[in-house]
Amino acid sequence: EIVLTQSPDFQSVAAKETVTITCRASQNIGSSLHWFQQKPGQSPELLIKFGSQSFSGVPSRFSGSGSGTDFTLTINSLEAEDAATYFCHQTSSLPQTFGQGTKVEIK
Amino acid sequence: QLQLQESGPGLVKPSETLSLICTASGDSITDTNYYWGWIRQPPGKGLEWIGSIYYGGGTYYHPSLRSRVTVFVDKSKNQLSLRLTSVTAADTAVYYCARRAPNSPYNYWGQGTLVTVSS
Repeated sequence: EIVLTQSPDFQSVAAKETVTITCRASQNIGSSLHWFQQKPGQSPELLIKFGSQSFSGVPSRFSGSGSGTDFTLTINSLEAEDAATYFCHQTSSLPQTFGQGTKVEIK
Repeated sequence: QLQLQESGPGLVKPSETLSLICTASGDSITDTNYYWGWIRQPPGKGLEWIGSIYYGGGTYYHPSLRSRVTVFVDKSKNQLSLRLTSVTAADTAVYYCARRAPNSPYNYWGQGTLVTVSS
């Protein structure tokens, strides 16, 4: 089973600042790494697929990078509506796995 | 536009069987272009993939749940079903159904349904 480790677990950031979340895979997963946003009481929503491809309708302030074992989600110019938990997710091999999540709070 | 809606009992007793259904509207569960899956999330915790089905192609389960889980399709009702036997408190979670294309992430999710295992 591929383990995804996110860091940090929690981040408190002021509006308009930049947030960076990393996801490290326990083995090479190529570009099969995706990022989700989940707000309290809601289901996850896809932000970034295959490391760096923005999903339809996602604001341009969200971007992803990385391949192999190290990946990054960046949120530029943080807005109040971005307060949420962010998860990385791999579809390289079964069982599909998720990172433990990073909670982003707006200061 | 695809919509997914999970339903089922919100409370299940320990050692009993958890049964959930997911009703799809806007697409057919038998559409062979997609995988249909179940993912769960214990309260305040992360996401765990349970299993998925590719209509006409097979089912896939998390190894830790394989002995207890069944995912199947009722094509007459356009429903995806989940059955999890011998539940314990550790199975308490919000259960989501979702759809994805092959080799792609789940991009359509239901709203989720909370199942509590308790006597």
